[in-house]
Amino acid sequence: DVKVTQSSRYLVKRTGEKVFLECVQDMDHENMFWYRQDPGLGLRLIYFSYDVKMKEKGDIPEGYSVSREKKERFSLILESASTNQTSMYLCASSWAGDPYEQYFGPGTRLTVT
Amino acid sequence: LAKTTQPISMDSYEGQEVNITCSHNNIATNDYITWYQQFPSQGPRFIIQGYKTKVTNEVASLFIPADRKSSTLSLPRVSLSDTAVYYCLVGDRGTGGFKTIFGAGTRLFVKA
Repeated sequence: DVKVTQSSRYLVKRTGEKVFLECVQDMDHENMFWYRQDPGLGLRLIYFSYDVKMKEKGDIPEGYSVSREKKERFSLILESASTNQTSMYLCASSWAGDPYEQYFGPGTRLTVT
Repeated sequence: LAKTTQPISMDSYEGQEVNITCSHNNIATNDYITWYQQFPSQGPRFIIQGYKTKVTNEVASLFIPADRKSSTLSLPRVSLSDTAVYYCLVGDRGTGGFKTIFGAGTRLFVKA
């Protein structure tokens, strides 16, 4: 089975802090994705990566950056956390041939105070 | 990117078959249809994917008519544990400019 793990299940940070969310997958997938999910807004794509050191902006990239130095690891960075970034963050991965068959991690619930 | 429309919510009883329909009137020739299931406080789980006619796996069946403007996810004999949100996505698997639109999904509530 595909396993996608995220570094924290719950995280509380202060406004202005730099926040790192880590995601690791063990299936040698080429594609990796970061989403946020908010009540009433569904899942929204922040960034995705289709190869090491490659990245593409999703629908809501503002206030976020990403890093993919190794194939199995995809990091989401909040350069200066703000309260409107309080959300559930979900990481996913897929093989190159089908970006729609994604495997998700358990999510990180981030609270920015 | 084809827009999808699903019912906001559905109710069912244990043991019944549930059919959730998704409309995607402007589906493109190369688009596939994919369904996900999401339980509270968990990430979505891939259920099934198809291009045309019928696809079946151990979890569900997916029915796609010839015009492909809609699709129906069929869950046989649901149980309480099938209470979840179900999302329909449509897109070209080979598109380089990948964009995801999960939408609001359909909230299925299974009652005893």
